Amino acid sequence: QKEVEQDPGPLSVPEGAIVSLNCTYSNSAFQYFMWYRQYSRKGPELLMYTYSSGNKEDGRFTAQVDKSSKYISLFIRDSQPSDSATYLCAITNNAGNMLTFGGGTRLMVKP
Amino acid sequence: DAGVIQSPRHEVTEMGQEVTLRCKPISGHDYLFWYRQTMMRGLELLIYFNNNVPIDDSGMPEDRFSAKMPNASFSTLKIQPSEPRDSAVYFCASSRDRPSNQPQHFGDGTRLSIL
Repeated sequence: QKEVEQDPGPLSVPEGAIVSLNCTYSNSAFQYFMWYRQYSRKGPELLMYTYSSGNKEDGRFTAQVDKSSKYISLFIRDSQPSDSATYLCAITNNAGNMLTFGGGTRLMVKP
Repeated sequence: DAGVIQSPRHEVTEMGQEVTLRCKPISGHDYLFWYRQTMMRGLELLIYFNNNVPIDDSGMPEDRFSAKMPNASFSTLKIQPSEPRDSAVYFCASSRDRPSNQPQHFGDGTRLSIL
C-alpha cells in the first residue's frame, strides 16, 4: 500500500462546476498537508498548505484536512478551463524535511 | 527572481551511456531536492541536500545513481550506466527552509529517454 493514495482520474467537468479532489494517507505521524498543481510539461507549484484539521480557504480553493480519517481534500469553486492540470497532494514526514506525494489527479475543465 | 533552472530539458541517449542532469537552485535557498516522476510511480524523492550536504539519499534507486552539490548554486544528478527503466522526468526543487516551513520551487524538469 502506498503511503499517500490519490485517484488518478482523469476527472472531466464543465466550466463553473465545483471540483472535489481527494487523498488518503496511511501514516498518522504525517504533519503538514499541501496541494500542488502541475501543468503539462511543467514542474509542480504550491497551491495550498495547511497543518491542522479543518478548512483553509484561498479564493476559489478550499483545502480540508481530517486527521482522524487520514483524509485530505481540495475543493475548487467556479472551475475554469485554466484550472485544467494535474493536482498532487503532498504530505511531510514528522520531521517536516521530506515530502511524500500522491500520484496526482488529472483534471480537465471544459468550456 | 529567476526560478530553478534545469538542463538539459530533454535528453535521449542509448543504454549504457552516462547521463548528467544539472540544476541551478534559486539564490538563497538552502535546501535542494531531486525527484523522479513516472506514470507508474508518480513523483518520488531521490535525494536532498541542506547547505550543500547530502542529508537523505534513501530514495536513490541504486549505485548507478549519484548526486553532488559542489556549491550553493549548482547540483548534478548522474546515472552511469543508464538503463531504459531510468526513463522518466527528473525534477530539481529548492526551498529556503524545510518543506514544513517553506514551499518548494520546482524547475521544469529534464525529460530523459534511454533507448
